[in-house]
Amino acid sequence: NAGVTQTPKFRILKIGQSMTLQCTQDMNHNYMYWYRQDPGMGLKLIYYSVGAGITDKGEVPNGYNVSRSTTEDFPLRLELAAPSQTSVYFCASSSQMGQGGQETQYFGPGTRLLVL
Amino acid sequence: DAKTTQPPSMDCAEGRAANLPCNHSTISGNEYVYWYRQIHSQGPQYIIHGLKNNETNEMASLIITEDRKSSTLILPHATLRDTAVYYCIVRVRAGTASKLTFGTGTRLQVTL
Repeated sequence: NAGVTQTPKFRILKIGQSMTLQCTQDMNHNYMYWYRQDPGMGLKLIYYSVGAGITDKGEVPNGYNVSRSTTEDFPLRLELAAPSQTSVYFCASSSQMGQGGQETQYFGPGTRLLVL
Repeated sequence: DAKTTQPPSMDCAEGRAANLPCNHSTISGNEYVYWYRQIHSQGPQYIIHGLKNNETNEMASLIITEDRKSSTLILPHATLRDTAVYYCIVRVRAGTASKLTFGTGTRLQVTL
């Protein structure tokens, strides 16, 4: 199992450009998540998905879009890049919540994005 | 949502036990306590979780007080590779999925 993979590892964007951050998991997990982490801070949830075709906003969704056409893939789209979106982006996945609400999230290695 | 409080940093000598405290005084009865760690900008890594009872796995032990208002993560024999930021998280549900609310964690420095 590769687990959760993310591409690219690093990207520089100019203000106003767009890009898609890719995330794929091979664990057949229903739940997938996108987080961002600013320097010295904890992670903040951007969007999440509970299954193919179902997505919902997290804590900081503005400026981003997502789609979930398959169980494996959960791409994050930045339409008009802004300097405030300079951050490290982590994708995560988890299985159906177990009895009693137990759930473990598995994280990818992250994508570093710099918007200039 | 239950919030957690952790010391910003701790030091531990290699080979010694590292005891990382966490306060979660507003935790509700059905919320689990999770511990993750993040090694130098890598993706967070799950360590352990618990509800009421103490838990142990190959990585660590989790001690939860009887009133559940605080917990301690124990790394029994810390190594240099355990140097990381450790996050104590009370699991919050976001719809039918689980949102992990990360604070700033405890930066553990393991030294020779």
